[in-house]
Amino acid sequence: EPEVTQTPSHQVTQMGQEVILRCVPISNHLYFYWYRQILGQKVEFLVSFYNNEISEKSEIFDDQFSVERPDGSNFTLKIRSTKLEDSAMYFCASRRDFSSYNEQFFGPGTRLTVL
Amino acid sequence: GENVEQHPSTLSVQEGDSAVIKCTYSDSASNYFPWYKQELGKRPQLIIDIRSNVGEKKDQRIAVTLNKTAKHFSLHITETQPEDSAVYFCAASEGDSGAGSYQLTFGKGTKLSVIP
Repeated sequence: EPEVTQTPSHQVTQMGQEVILRCVPISNHLYFYWYRQILGQKVEFLVSFYNNEISEKSEIFDDQFSVERPDGSNFTLKIRSTKLEDSAMYFCASRRDFSSYNEQFFGPGTRLTVL
Repeated sequence: GENVEQHPSTLSVQEGDSAVIKCTYSDSASNYFPWYKQELGKRPQLIIDIRSNVGEKKDQRIAVTLNKTAKHFSLHITETQPEDSAVYFCAASEGDSGAGSYQLTFGKGTKLSVIP
């Protein structure tokens, strides 16, 4: 069964540094998402992406964040200048379409640690 | 925006007993309600979902009920087993309307412990 993949599994960075988190969604899916989960807390929506543009973003997704689909397979989340509070597990998810099947499939996550 | 409340935050049951987790939502436009199971350090995995045109759905030992009028939905696990121990998240989204990004709004999670 196809799965969403993410790299790296764990990223450690210094405060103020830029990080790029990578995701490969399921190949025939059209909607892509980033969520984050601070340790012990609920999963929070960051941004959704469809047809090569952001379709929705949360208040968490400020100017420090950006997303890109640089080619036909990868979907990336960039944090320009990391803060301590950006430490979290970041999940990528993908969804086939909007017509009748709504399940979002999650990747294994990237644990981001900002020191 | 949507707000999802989930109770209880922790739940301990004896193996073989039933477990019930309850969620409420605020946005009447939400019409898709998935439940995800997350084992420690793993990705959330869908275990069951329900759409608003259905009041109940069952899959073996797992069932979900939905009361659209009251904006409540619940997860029921019968004959619990130790491998059911995990964190369970409910979520809501506005699915199938033909517009929007259908992002999920999650509850805070319930840590279920099944005691052998």
